[in-house]
Amino acid sequence: AQKITQTQPGMFVQEKEAVTLDCTYDTSDPSYGLFWYKQPSSGEMIFLIYQGSYDQQNATEGRYSLNFQKARKSANLVISASQLGDSAMYFCAMISKYSGGGADGLTFGKGTHLIIQP
Amino acid sequence: KAGVTQTPRYLIKTRGQQVTLSCSPISGHRSVSWYQQTPGQGLQFLFEYFSETQRNKGNFPGRFSGRQFSNSRSEMNVSTLELGDSALYLCASSPGTSGEETQYFGPGTRLLVL
Repeated sequence: AQKITQTQPGMFVQEKEAVTLDCTYDTSDPSYGLFWYKQPSSGEMIFLIYQGSYDQQNATEGRYSLNFQKARKSANLVISASQLGDSAMYFCAMISKYSGGGADGLTFGKGTHLIIQP
Repeated sequence: KAGVTQTPRYLIKTRGQQVTLSCSPISGHRSVSWYQQTPGQGLQFLFEYFSETQRNKGNFPGRFSGRQFSNSRSEMNVSTLELGDSALYLCASSPGTSGEETQYFGPGTRLLVL
């Protein structure tokens, strides 16, 4: 079984500061994908960044980067130069590689509520 | 490309009724997955459809069912509604060729059961 742990229920960060959201995962599958999603109060889940388990380099997407430490089973999200619009819930998620029987669906963590203060 | 769309956005039902939610995936995506989000249980996987066939199912009772049409649009049905079914129901689409693909979510349907 897969498990995602996000240990920070909430965070307050000053605007323009960098912020790191923690995520650890547990799986016995050799091939998997790790994702971060942002959920504003409107409810829509917005895809931010993806990291494959065999990717050698950390993923980056604009102001978002994923600090992937495979041995520690860690996939922290780093947001550089935070903005007021970054205030939202952030979810770490993972999925195992399709193996003929269909995807098992994303496994999500409990989320981190990030609030950016002016 | 247009994103994932879900209808309706909001629903109020009473216990015992049934409800049908609809999801239209991104053009070209053949996989549609459904998730339930509640404050207590968080985000939970319901099921996934690919090419009109259910490929996988999460741990939900048989009252939760779905289907997918030839144009990849999907519907989810919940029969005999219970108070605990009040939730945000999210659908997500992906190309469907690999289990590690990014899933893109719709805005969700907020269901309130009274």
